[in-house]
Amino acid sequence: DVKVTQSSRYLVKRTGEKVFLECVQDMDHENMFWYRQDPGLGLRLIYFSYDVKMKEKGDIPEGYSVSREKKERFSLILESASTNQTSMYLCASMDLQQPQHFGDGTRLSIL
Amino acid sequence: GENVEQHPSTLSVQEGDSAVIKCTYSDSASNYFPWYKQELGKRPQLIIDIRSNVGEKKDQRIAVTLNKTAKHFSLHITETQPEDSAVYFCAARETGANNLFFGTGTRLTVIP
Repeated sequence: DVKVTQSSRYLVKRTGEKVFLECVQDMDHENMFWYRQDPGLGLRLIYFSYDVKMKEKGDIPEGYSVSREKKERFSLILESASTNQTSMYLCASMDLQQPQHFGDGTRLSIL
Repeated sequence: GENVEQHPSTLSVQEGDSAVIKCTYSDSASNYFPWYKQELGKRPQLIIDIRSNVGEKKDQRIAVTLNKTAKHFSLHITETQPEDSAVYFCAARETGANNLFFGTGTRLTVIP
């Protein structure tokens, strides 16, 4: 069974802080994704990665960056957190042309 | 890029009735259409998917239909139960791509 683990379920940070959200998958998947989920807006893709050190912008990359130094780990970075980045963040992974599997999500609050 | 629209945004049905959720997509190159169920406080989980070489797929009380000409696909849940209450998301993926484009979700409430 695919396991996608996000390091925190809940996180509270202050504006201007640098925030790291971590995601680890145990299935040797090539592709990993970061989404943000907001009421009425569904899941919006921030960034994705199709290989180590490779990344592609999604629909809403502004204010975010990512890092993929190892195949199993994909990190989302908020360089300088702002209140409009308060949201639920979901990580997903998938094998080539297969379904995506999600983590439990991190509910991030920026005060 | 792809644009997926989902309707309705909320849906209430009596237990035992059927529920239908509809999605449209814009890119004729899309060929994979999954449906995810997200219960309160939990991760989205794949419940059924369909590829563009078939028109319908069924798994017990859940079915998905696809009309490629009209570019729409639908989720059908029969004999609904309270545990079907959740938010459902449709999505589409273009041929050769790995990223999904999601609809905005439908909150289904099954009233006992």
